[in-house]
Parts: sequence; structure tokens; C-alpha cells
Amino acid sequence: AQSVSQHNHHVILSEAASLELGCNYSYGGTVNLFWYVQYPGQHLQLLLKYFSGDPLVKGIKGFEAEFIKSKFSFNLRKPSVQWSDTAEYFCAVKNNQGGKLIFGQGTELSVKP
Amino acid sequence: EAGVAQSPRYKIIEKRQSVAFWCNPISGHATLYWYQQILGQGPKLLIQFQNNGVVDDSQLPKDRFSAERLKGVDSTLKIQPAKLEDSAVYLCASRYKRGLVSGANVLTFGAGSRLTVL
Repeated sequence: AQSVSQHNHHVILSEAASLELGCNYSYGGTVNLFWYVQYPGQHLQLLLKYFSGDPLVKGIKGFEAEFIKSKFSFNLRKPSVQWSDTAEYFCAVKNNQGGKLIFGQGTELSVKP
Repeated sequence: EAGVAQSPRYKIIEKRQSVAFWCNPISGHATLYWYQQILGQGPKLLIQFQNNGVVDDSQLPKDRFSAERLKGVDSTLKIQPAKLEDSAVYLCASRYKRGLVSGANVLTFGAGSRLTVL
């Protein structure tokens, strides 16, 4: 069965530190990959997505993610985090045969000012 | 473009009571989803509609949960009777067209309905 694993449950960083959140999935076929963000008290918002093409995708607010097919990974990165990046981040995967969107368990990011 | 509307935002009930949540997707979105997000976990798909038909309800606890989308627009999710473990945020999401591979064809989520079962 398709599954998504996020390596870190809670990450604490200081402002200006670099961020990398891990995401691995299990599915042998072609997938669509997503990162969603949920700021405190707000709804889930799409941060970035990968459907095809360049495996390095750029999203909003300076985030980017790299799809490494051989590693079944789609890690999220940001070179310099801000306090306002404090949120919960969810990786999600969907197979491209119209399959359902499967979420990881989420990583809570706390950025200290 | 208006977002996905959900109500109520918060609901507190006692176990064995019933509750209903309502969702109005983005206009023109044919595909509608209900997700359950338990504290500390990622959202889990409960049911997926394409227009007014059910595409996937494999993870819906059908002995207590039901959902409908009669006219292919609004949807209602009902829980009867509720259990303590049903405490969660119930998220509704919509998408333009199932199966369409497009950079614009992604899920848009509502703010969610937070249920507390005492």
C-alpha cells in the first residue's frame, strides 16, 4: 500500500538557520508529490508540488523541494528560515492513476526569533 | 475565487450523540474529499466524491459515519453515534477534476471543523 514517511516529528531552529525536512514514500509507479503547510490556526495550504519535469521545484516563501526518484524522496528545503515559518508541514503523495492523496504524519517546525 | 467553506468550525458533543458537518466546495470543482485529521497525525482520507458519486470510501467507518453529496455540490458528513476517538478536525477539500494531470489541478482545503467528543 502507498505510504508516506516524514522523518522528523518536531524540528526547532533559530532564525536564519537552514531547513531540510525529510519525506520518503513507498509507491513504485509515477507519483505526484506535494508539500502542504498549516500555520497556527489556519487551514492547509499548498507550498509546492511536483508533477513532472525538473525535479527541483520552487514554491512560495522561498521553499524548494527536490524529487529524487531513486531514493523515493521529496525533501523540503529553505536556506534561511524566519520566525513566520513556524508551522506544521505535511508531505503528500498521489499516484497519477487518479489515486487518493496520502499524507505523512507531519513535521512541526518551531523557529525561535 | 472563494475558498472551500466549512461549518461549524467547532463542535463539542458527548459520546453517543450525533453531529453533522457541511462543506461547500469551490464553484466548478467536481471532486470533493473529506479528511479526518487527528491531533499529531496527517490527514486521512475518509471519502472521495466525483460529482455526486462515491469514488473511494474504503476508510470510512460505515457503521457510524455517512456522507452524501446529493446535487454534486455541497456535501454533508455525519457521525452517529460519536465515539471519543472521533475527536479530530474534519477537513473538506475540493479539486477541479479527478484524474486530470495538471499543475493547476491540486486540492484546496477548507479551514476544517474541529470536533471534540467528551
